[in-house]
Amino acid sequence: AQTVTQSQPEMSVQEAETVTLSCTYDTSESDYYLFWYKQPPSRQMILVIRQEAYKQQNATENRFSVNFQKAAKSFSLKISDSQLGDAAMYFCAVSRRGSGTYKYIFGTGTRLKVLA
Amino acid sequence: GAVVSQHPSRVICKSGTSVKIECRSLDFQATTMFWYRQFPKKSLMLMATSNEGSKATYEQGVEKDKFLINHASLTLSTLTVTSAHPEDSSFYICSAVLTMNTEAFFGQGTRLTVV
Repeated sequence: AQTVTQSQPEMSVQEAETVTLSCTYDTSESDYYLFWYKQPPSRQMILVIRQEAYKQQNATENRFSVNFQKAAKSFSLKISDSQLGDAAMYFCAVSRRGSGTYKYIFGTGTRLKVLA
Repeated sequence: GAVVSQHPSRVICKSGTSVKIECRSLDFQATTMFWYRQFPKKSLMLMATSNEGSKATYEQGVEKDKFLINHASLTLSTLTVTSAHPEDSSFYICSAVLTMNTEAFFGQGTRLTVV
């Protein structure tokens, strides 16, 4: 079975500081993608960053970057210069092939609080 | 980015009735859409994969006769909760992908309350 584990139910960070959210996954697929999605109080899911498993280079998107360790099946998200608007639930997800389509499997989420 | 619109955003229905939720891709064609259920403060649980022009593929444990999915066109998928009961109350979210291996775009979600 494909699984995604986020071991931190909740994290806090001071405004302007850096925080890292952890994610580990398990998949037997050789072809897959990893994602971090943000869900603010509005509950609209927003893509934060995406990583192709075949790429060794870690993805970066402005203040957001990942540490992708393929052998360890680890995919952590680093948020630099945290802002109040970063406060949200963050979900790690892996897309896997199933019946010809790519399904997303989500972790349990990490609630990030940003302290002013 | 691509826009996925979900309607209604909130619905209250009586126990025993059916309710339909629509998911539309506004500016792209989506051959595949996904339906999720999210319990309070929990993760998104994939319910089914909706394929245009064919039957939906349901995840294990999801009742096909309870959650009817129709994907009649490349821009519209519907989820009908039949004979709803209070335990069906939840937040339902749809998503669509432009092409395989690209990001999924999500609807705004529908909060269903069955009384």
